[in-house]
Amino acid sequence: AQSVTQPDIHITVSEGASLELRCNYSYGATPYLFWYVQSPGQGLQLLLKYFSGDTLVQGIKGFEAEFKRSQSSFNLRKPSVHWSDAAEYFCAVGWGRDTMEYGNKLVFGAGTILRVKS
Amino acid sequence: DGGITQSPKYLFRKEGQNVTLSCEQNLNHDAMYWYRQDPGQGLRLIYYSQIVNDFQKGDIAEGYSVSREKKESFPLTVTSAQKNPTAFYLCASSIQGGSNQPQHFGDGTRLSIL
Repeated sequence: AQSVTQPDIHITVSEGASLELRCNYSYGATPYLFWYVQSPGQGLQLLLKYFSGDTLVQGIKGFEAEFKRSQSSFNLRKPSVHWSDAAEYFCAVGWGRDTMEYGNKLVFGAGTILRVKS
Repeated sequence: DGGITQSPKYLFRKEGQNVTLSCEQNLNHDAMYWYRQDPGQGLRLIYYSQIVNDFQKGDIAEGYSVSREKKESFPLTVTSAQKNPTAFYLCASSIQGGSNQPQHFGDGTRLSIL
């Protein structure tokens, strides 16, 4: 079955430091890739998405992500973290209509909680 | 502004009781989704609907029911058959169904057992 893995449950970084959140997925077909952010008690907000083309995509709030097919990864990065970036981050993957079971659904990772220390 | 409205924000259920969570969107989206979120488990799909009067079970549909009588509305009923309903429930929508569609989320309903 298709799966999405976010290996880090919690990450703590200092304000101003760089950030990388990891995401790996199963299955060989080219996926549709998303990163979402969730503040406590709220819904999810889309940060960025990748479908095809340039493997480095830019999103909102200064975030970017890079698709690496050889590693089945879509890691999220930010050069300089701000205290307001503290939240939970979710990677989500879709595998397209030719995948019967998951043709219309996104599979979400378990999330990574980001803490920012001043 | 367009968006998704979930109500109530907090809901309490007694044993043996059915409760209904509301989800309304004014984005003119065709597809709508219900997810359950538990700590450390990410989001799990309960039901989804790609068009009015049609819906499909997701990964954890047992103990839940939905309807899609209007494009704007996709209510979720948590029945007494759901033995562990305590969770955060999120409603989402997208322009069309399909795994290449970004989903827009409401602010959630937190359901607890009395």
